[in-house]
Amino acid sequence: ETGVTQSPTHLIKTRGQQVTLRCSSQSGHNTVSWYQQALGQGPQFIFQYYREEENGRGNFPPRFSGLQFPNYSSELNVNALELDDSALYLCASSPGRDNFYGYTFGSGTRLTVV
Amino acid sequence: AQSVTQLDSHVSVSEGTPVLLRCNYSSSYSPSLFWYVQHPNKGLQLLLKYTSAATLVKGINGFEAEFKKSETSFHLTKPSAHMSDAAEYFCVVSESSASKIIFGSGTRLSIRP
Repeated sequence: ETGVTQSPTHLIKTRGQQVTLRCSSQSGHNTVSWYQQALGQGPQFIFQYYREEENGRGNFPPRFSGLQFPNYSSELNVNALELDDSALYLCASSPGRDNFYGYTFGSGTRLTVV
Repeated sequence: AQSVTQLDSHVSVSEGTPVLLRCNYSSSYSPSLFWYVQHPNKGLQLLLKYTSAATLVKGINGFEAEFKKSETSFHLTKPSAHMSDAAEYFCVVSESSASKIIFGSGTRLSIRP
């Protein structure tokens, strides 16, 4: 079985631009969540998708948005990039929306905003 | 409201000696608790999880953790440290009714030869 894959692995954007990050969930997983991990900190929950619908959201502004597709892959979109958006963005999938299962994480996308 | 506190930002032990990484949590409901490990420039790997079954949980690579409700703790231990254990460790809490999980700030484990 394949794990969670994220693309791209690294990205450099200019302040004010928009970015789309992609995530393919592990086979058999219908739930995807996204996290932002700033340097030296723990991951912060952005939002979760279950069967193509948003199933919870953390304390992030509306310029952070997402999608989940019928094959359960997902995108994270960030508009009007700010310097503080520079971070490692992690995607995680699980076989259900109940947190009982734990999550399988991808290796992340390192976003640098200049 | 749920929260998690990792009591040590950095722990250093000698190879072959025991490891103790401390975690305290706060939760309004019966929580699920996890420990994840993150090696440099890598994603997060699940070490073990507690989901209201046995209070002593065994994970991968010889790690285990004990859920103590009276102390609201979920400390991670390993009897004998190995050089490959050097990494960042995160304690995570989640309420089953919630769709989000909360990470601690992490503990960096260093292993001395």
